[in-house]
Amino acid sequence: GQQVMQIPQYQHVQEGEDFTTYCNSSTTLSNIQWYKQRPGGHPVFLIQLVKSGEVKKQKRLTFQFGEAKKNSSLHITATQTTDVGTYFCAEVSNAGDTSYGKLTFGQGTILTVHP
Amino acid sequence: NAGVTQTPKFQVLKTGQSMTLQCAQDMNHNSMYWYRQDPGMGLRLIYYSASEGTTDKGEVPNGYNVSRLNKREFSLRLESAAPSQTSVYFCASSDPWLATEAFFGQGTRLTVV
Repeated sequence: GQQVMQIPQYQHVQEGEDFTTYCNSSTTLSNIQWYKQRPGGHPVFLIQLVKSGEVKKQKRLTFQFGEAKKNSSLHITATQTTDVGTYFCAEVSNAGDTSYGKLTFGQGTILTVHP
Repeated sequence: NAGVTQTPKFQVLKTGQSMTLQCAQDMNHNSMYWYRQDPGMGLRLIYYSASEGTTDKGEVPNGYNVSRLNKREFSLRLESAAPSQTSVYFCASSDPWLATEAFFGQGTRLTVV
């Protein structure tokens, strides 16, 4: 079953407000990836986090990996209408597995931005 | 560079009909995947192929079969469609030993009535 829980399921913000989505796991994650899916589109890779406590930034997006590697977050500062879409976290199966590369997705957070 | 190409984009089937979803990638990736996306469920893995000549079940394989025709192509077959298979299907590819980023096709929106 699903091993990565993502919250919230929906988030409505006014343009200019901040947005955060969270992923949590009961077990230690080997790594975490984040994807964005525009309405009617397909998932597009944003970033991968591997190290405990890792923080990466892409312009207004900040990605964090928890110290215990059991949670991760994506924070968007000052949202814009172009940020609309569904944001997914996903764990990649371990390099030692024959299924290496297989993704286990969170349920996703649907972000709407009101201008 | 087309990336991952899926066909068809839309399909309506009657219960019991069969169909094959086609997927091809031109990035020379070893691994290919089929996911289905349902509201509130994220993307769930149906089948995957770690390399040419191998296929394995994912989280939700029942009612599906796959064929890794060659390194480029990975097809998904529904032998007897059921309404529960109404979903959006995505094919993806990656080369995990080089970079674990997955590239997705445009998706197939399937409705079974």
